[in-house]
Amino acid sequence: TQLLEQSPQFLSIQEGENLTVYCNSSSVFSSLQWYRQEPGEGPVLLVTVVTGGEVKKLKRLTFQFGDARKDSSLHITAAQPGDTGLYLCAGAGAGANNLFFGTGTRLTVIP
Amino acid sequence: DTAVSQTPKYLVTQMGNDKSIKCEQNLGHDTMYWYKQDSKKFLKIMFSYNNKELIINETVPNRFSPKSPDKAHLNLHINSLELGDSAVYFCASSQRYFGRREKLFFGSGTQLSVL
Repeated sequence: TQLLEQSPQFLSIQEGENLTVYCNSSSVFSSLQWYRQEPGEGPVLLVTVVTGGEVKKLKRLTFQFGDARKDSSLHITAAQPGDTGLYLCAGAGAGANNLFFGTGTRLTVIP
Repeated sequence: DTAVSQTPKYLVTQMGNDKSIKCEQNLGHDTMYWYKQDSKKFLKIMFSYNNKELIINETVPNRFSPKSPDKAHLNLHINSLELGDSAVYFCASSQRYFGRREKLFFGSGTQLSVL
């Protein structure tokens, strides 16, 4: 099992603030995905990054894959209450034969 | 129409009972999975099936037995339920078996409570 540690574990911020969530591992991944999960629902894919150093933007969300493909970050600009949820990173193993999920970051955006 | 649907949504049962969770996907995907999410929200794979063939069987007790009658269905049967089995179980599917860009579609989960 390849461990993906996310930080912070919990984050509560005011609407309009910026935030960054980190996903770190000592293992190399062939790709890295970010999912968001809302209460009572399953995770929903936000983005997949494949190349070391790759940056992808999804409206106010910016995702980056580390150069060594061992870590990733999610930056949210001007957070909104609708961003509230559990954010999960997930790394595909070198053989792309499994997907390992991170420990999760629970974000609350207060109106 | 829900892409990945699993039933029941909630399952409350006594220790020692046997129960099943059903999952169906209408996306035409080849691969289906069962994940377990514990109380700390950690999501861990249990099984994966590709074209009805078992591909991944993580270190899951033999009391858990998946069954895939066809590509669109993957059911999970649990024998002799234990307190530690309490968790949320998610079914998921993907077009093909774990590729670098494969997108997983998850069901809404089954919350299992063993009393």
